[in-house]
Amino acid sequence: DGGITQSPKYLFRKEGQNVTLSCEQNLNHDAMYWYRQDPGQGLRLIYYSQIVNDFQKGDIAEGYSVSREKKESFPLTVTSAQKNPTAFYLCASSLLGVETQYFGPGTRLLVL
Amino acid sequence: AQSVTQLGSHVSVSEGALVLLRCNYSSSVPPYLFWYVQYPNQGLQLLLKYTSAATLVKGINGFEAEFKKSETSFHLTKPSAHMSDAAEYFCAVSGRNNDMRFGAGTRLTVKP
Repeated sequence: DGGITQSPKYLFRKEGQNVTLSCEQNLNHDAMYWYRQDPGQGLRLIYYSQIVNDFQKGDIAEGYSVSREKKESFPLTVTSAQKNPTAFYLCASSLLGVETQYFGPGTRLLVL
Repeated sequence: AQSVTQLGSHVSVSEGALVLLRCNYSSSVPPYLFWYVQYPNQGLQLLLKYTSAATLVKGINGFEAEFKKSETSFHLTKPSAHMSDAAEYFCAVSGRNNDMRFGAGTRLTVKP
C-alpha cells in the first residue's frame, strides 16, 4: 500500500534533549512538508523540501532542523532550542507544483 | 502573504441539517484553496480543492464549496449532515511552492 508513515506515534522528550521524528513515503512524491498542530491554532508550516538535499524554512522553523538525503525520507529534529515542543507533528508529501498534500498519521511529542 | 480565516471555531448542527463552514481568504494572486478534514488523533484528508477550473467544487462525502472572488470566500457546505461528519475541518491556501497556510479549524458536532 502506498502512503506516508510517521514514527513513533508518541514521543517523550526530556529537558535539553534533541529528538528526531521519522517520516517516510512510498508515493514517489518529490515534495515533503512538516507541520506543527496546536489546539486552536490549526497547522503551522515548519519546513518543506521540493528536492533531495534542499529544503526551505516555513513560518516556525526556529528550534527545528531537517534533512533530505533520500527522496522517501524527511526526518525532523526537535532541538533543545525549541522551548515549547509539546504538540502534534504532521508530515505530508505531494507532487511538485500546487498539488494535494497527503498526510501521515502524526506524532505526538510530550515533554517529561 | 496568503492567509485564510475560518469563522467559528465550533459549529453544531442536527443530523440531517445543512452544514455550512465558513472560510475567507487573503491573497494577492489567484488562490489555490483546499478543504481538509481531520478525525481525532489522525492526519488530514483532502475533501476538495479549488484550482480555478470551476467556481463550484464538489468533493468527497457529499461536500462542496463555492469560490466567490467578490467576497473572497470559499465556504464548505453539505445539504444533510450525518453523524460520521463530526470532525475538525481546515481551510487552506497554497503558495506557488505548495507551501500551505491553514486556518485555525472548525470543529463540527452533529447532534442526533
